[in-house]
Amino acid sequence: TQLLEQSPQFLSIQEGENLTVYCNSSSVFSSLQWYRQEPGEGPVLLVTVVTGGEVKKLKRLTFQFGDARKDSSLHITAAQPGDTGLYLCAGAKGGSTLGRLYFGRGTQLTVWP
Amino acid sequence: EAGVAQSPRYKIIEKRQSVAFWCNPISGHATLYWYQQILGQGPKLLIQFQNNGVVDDSQLPKDRFSAERLKGVDSTLKIQPAKLEDSAVYLCASSLAPGLRTDTQYFGPGTRLTVL
Repeated sequence: TQLLEQSPQFLSIQEGENLTVYCNSSSVFSSLQWYRQEPGEGPVLLVTVVTGGEVKKLKRLTFQFGDARKDSSLHITAAQPGDTGLYLCAGAKGGSTLGRLYFGRGTQLTVWP
Repeated sequence: EAGVAQSPRYKIIEKRQSVAFWCNPISGHATLYWYQQILGQGPKLLIQFQNNGVVDDSQLPKDRFSAERLKGVDSTLKIQPAKLEDSAVYLCASSLAPGLRTDTQYFGPGTRLTVL
């Protein structure tokens, strides 16, 4: 059973479109991270959100942490082919599980020129 | 700054054989993680080391998997004997300060294992 549920699992869009990826859980997290993974490589951290309701922007990417710290979303504006990849959310619970990350299954995004 | 190094990048073995993976973390990172990423899923933590001590190995199938981090730097992950369901990418990651909520884990490129 996944602690974090991501949706959609696959997303195929045209260049210039907007999209949102969701990451949901019934558990509370002390922080939540978003990673992007390309074929043959390890995940690369995009952002960390730690405060409920927090919104962070990274160029065309907007990340939001839910008020209750149970969910998060990633919104991409005007997607480009370079945004293609596997987007993973990962939550940390802290306490006795210090450093441990719980990953979602990921959203495979393909942006066509 | 050099990233996390892993070898080999690919390995194909038959079931019941043994295999070992090697990881060299970023210099100065005391915490090292091994993850298993099965196709279509997110990474799952197998074991976490702090220096050369084990912090969390609750998800490690100890009947066949073992890991060590001698001298608190390099680490090896071994599978003996391998099963078909062990086919996956094995990722190594390291971090500086797991006690901070903003701690960053840096991942290596992974080793893709295929068990026939």
